[in-house]
Amino acid sequence: RKEVEQDPGPFNVPEGATVAFNCTYSNSASQSFFWYRQDCRKEPKLLMSVYSSGNEDGRFTAQLNRASQYISLLIRDSKLSDSATYLCVVTVLFSGGYNKLIFGAGTRLAVHP
Amino acid sequence: DTEVTQTPKHLVMGMTNKKSLKCEQHMGHRAMYWYKQKAKKPPELMFVYSYEKLSINESVPSRFSPECPNSSLLNLHLHALQPEDSALYLCASSQDASGIDVGEQYFGPGTRLTVT
Repeated sequence: RKEVEQDPGPFNVPEGATVAFNCTYSNSASQSFFWYRQDCRKEPKLLMSVYSSGNEDGRFTAQLNRASQYISLLIRDSKLSDSATYLCVVTVLFSGGYNKLIFGAGTRLAVHP
Repeated sequence: DTEVTQTPKHLVMGMTNKKSLKCEQHMGHRAMYWYKQKAKKPPELMFVYSYEKLSINESVPSRFSPECPNSSLLNLHLHALQPEDSALYLCASSQDASGIDVGEQYFGPGTRLTVT
């Protein structure tokens, strides 16, 4: 079983649509949670952190359910510029007290006019 | 300045060549990372440096040799690579390598490496 699992998509949606991505993680000791965005042939960029209380940044809302080991990202009023791959990321504790990122395989979103 | 720079952007090398990838950040971050990313796959961690010391080596073959000359620079020395090592090599940095800071990483644009 992969440590972080995501639906690969692609999700093809029209502009203005609301789209939701889900992610599950297997390591119950995972410590912190993030969504990154990666445009085609570009580097990943941090989109937002995810907290148990949920957090919102403009059109983007992220939720964490630790009991179910489940993370979600909701994008409202999709824009063409939202087209990208969305990577679900968790941190796990490594030896020596260091943390490392574990990336999901990513969910591809294509927003069309 | 929230930028991580990497050189070169593209590199083609033969299996007997020696080359180096370079990464630089000026955000005062104390953790730096090398990742490898194959097409349509997520980044895979290779190495982590924390306060200029190698903290994590994800069982990377010795033909990849990292070096951290100072807190702003990270190099990846390449020698005797195989064609399957062709990939995008990403450098990243974060404030620290422990705690929540490790999740807030800034990535460079990467070096696209082709091994012939």
